[in-house]
Amino acid sequence: TQLLEQSPQFLSIQEGENLTVYCNSSSVFSSLQWYRQEPGEGPVLLVTVVTGGEVKKLKRLTFQFGDARKDSSLHITAAQPGDTGLYLCAGEGGSGGSNYKLTFGKGTLLTVNP
Amino acid sequence: GAVVSQHPSWVICKSGTSVKIECRSLDFQATTMFWYRQFPKQSLMLMATSNEGSKATYEQGVEKDKFLINHASLTLSTLTVTSAHPEDSSFYICSARGTENEKLFFGSGTQLSVL
Repeated sequence: TQLLEQSPQFLSIQEGENLTVYCNSSSVFSSLQWYRQEPGEGPVLLVTVVTGGEVKKLKRLTFQFGDARKDSSLHITAAQPGDTGLYLCAGEGGSGGSNYKLTFGKGTLLTVNP
Repeated sequence: GAVVSQHPSWVICKSGTSVKIECRSLDFQATTMFWYRQFPKQSLMLMATSNEGSKATYEQGVEKDKFLINHASLTLSTLTVTSAHPEDSSFYICSARGTENEKLFFGSGTQLSVL
């Protein structure tokens, strides 16, 4: 069974602060995705990282895929209240994953206070 | 971009009744659809994977006779919660993809409350 450990589980910060969310696994994934979900809605894809060591930026969000493709991080610079939400990492494929289903981390509930 | 429509958005039902949730891909053919369950402030738990025209593959611990999945066409999959009980109350989300290398698109979810 492939598991993704996501931390921290809860994070409450002030507007303007920086934060990092981590996603770790003992398994290798062919790709890793980050989603953001608001209450009562489905997850929205933020980014997909595929290559070990890859870094992608999306405005104030920076995503990194570990060299061994087992871990990833999401860094938010100068957080804003609009960043509030549940952030989910999800690994796809990899060892034993033959049907391209996603394995989700437990999520990080981020609250950015104005 | 591709859109996945999920209906209804929320449903309230009495204990013992059955509830059907629909998941439609609006502008692409979904060869594979996934059904997830999510409790408040928790992550998505995969329930089953359905491929068009074949039986769904259920995750360990998910009762196939209770959560009936039908993927009869390339644009529609349904999840029927049979004989629902209060513990089945949850947020159910579907996702769909076309060919194996295409992105996964999520529906907006269905909040089920069983009284």
